[in-house]
Amino acid sequence: DSGVTQTPKHLITATGQRVTLRCSPRSGDLSVYWYQQSLDQGLQFLIQYYNGEERAKGNILERFSAQQFPDLHSELNLSSLELGDSALYFCASSVAGQREKLFFGSGTQLSVL
Amino acid sequence: LAKTTQPISMDSYEGQEVNITCSHNNIATNDYITWYQQFPSQGPRFIIQGYKTKVTNEVASLFIPADRKSSTLSLPRVSLSDTAVYYCLVGSLNTGFQKLVFGTGTRLLVSP
Repeated sequence: DSGVTQTPKHLITATGQRVTLRCSPRSGDLSVYWYQQSLDQGLQFLIQYYNGEERAKGNILERFSAQQFPDLHSELNLSSLELGDSALYFCASSVAGQREKLFFGSGTQLSVL
Repeated sequence: LAKTTQPISMDSYEGQEVNITCSHNNIATNDYITWYQQFPSQGPRFIIQGYKTKVTNEVASLFIPADRKSSTLSLPRVSLSDTAVYYCLVGSLNTGFQKLVFGTGTRLLVSP
């Protein structure tokens, strides 16, 4: 158990809908990262938050947004969903200064039908 | 961002030592080398990290030559449960390590 909690584990929805994925980092970790993993694209970085502020942005679509709350949990919002958004979405956390050691959650499997 | 190259797949048998090599020719001075392990439908799990020479922990060893242009993850006496995908990442906060694409990694299949 990495200590990173993601909910829900599975999500099935239809095209055009909006969903919210939730992540609780390990206790004390200030950074939260979101990754998307699809069969043909590998694990891709979406966005990072550090102590509530956006720190880095990767290949995140404009239809996607995220935020980190004062209690350090984070939410990834996916809107106007398309079939191609079906993927595993992982959240990871790290402690500032602990080099680049990421702790990943077990992921949310999103299926867009 | 340092690009890494790993073999796509490797096969081994239980009890053997497995060495997975990663090439990273344009590694930067501040970059660390980190290896992760991923099982199907699970998030990647940190295995080991190093900067130079050799690092060893309870599950693996990491060998890094002096020029740091490659690294080798060594798994001693693998078991069936070591069947997974192994990712090599190179980066640091200065080079935006978090933006690294994990890529396809190396699929290790351990057979009885």
